[in-house]
Amino acid sequence: DGGITQSPKYLFRKEGQNVTLSCEQNLNHDAMYWYRQDPGQGLRLIYYSQIVNDFQKGDIAEGYSVSREKKESFPLTVTSAQKNPTAFYLCASSISGRARGELFFGEGSRLTVL
Amino acid sequence: AQTVTQSQPEMSVQEAETVTLSCTYDTSESDYYLFWYKQPPSRQMILVIRQEAYKQQNATENRFSVNFQKAAKSFSLKISDSQLGDAAMYFCAYRISNAGGTSYGKLTFGQGTILTVHP
Repeated sequence: DGGITQSPKYLFRKEGQNVTLSCEQNLNHDAMYWYRQDPGQGLRLIYYSQIVNDFQKGDIAEGYSVSREKKESFPLTVTSAQKNPTAFYLCASSISGRARGELFFGEGSRLTVL
Repeated sequence: AQTVTQSQPEMSVQEAETVTLSCTYDTSESDYYLFWYKQPPSRQMILVIRQEAYKQQNATENRFSVNFQKAAKSFSLKISDSQLGDAAMYFCAYRISNAGGTSYGKLTFGQGTILTVHP
């Protein structure tokens, strides 16, 4: 089945450590996105990529980094510079272009900093 | 910058009744998409319904329908014959549809409305 796979579902990190969240899609979508979800704040965009080897900062990119070396993969690294990394992280993808316009989401990854 | 506002943090409805969730947005664009997503306790975001701004007809998907008022920048979701499985967090979202530019493709979300369905 086509879809988006995020791993791990739950991740614990000690302060000062970098962690990488995986996102893989087999939908043949050009665009991929990372969102952060906090209680009462909806979803906020961290980074997005419209094509391989290219990505742009979203609204809350500080303390995060990404890469897009393959069309299928868009990993997110939460660095030690991120002051409050405990959150739920959602990866999404979409067909670039006018058609439909919706994003398809993975099941999310819950990061907790101890 | 585009903003999306959901003014109802929580709503409740009796099973089989109808409920309407409100959403307003602010944009200077004329061509865009609007969406309602559902997030059940599993946290998976599920698309409920989509509306293209250039279409005057309100979108419907089975028990779900929208009231799209472009001039008022309002996009409400009506759920008819509510079911227990409709209980979830609902998010309104906006996306520009123009090709190119730095904002292309990004979804802007509202804060969400928690819907409780009482049996």
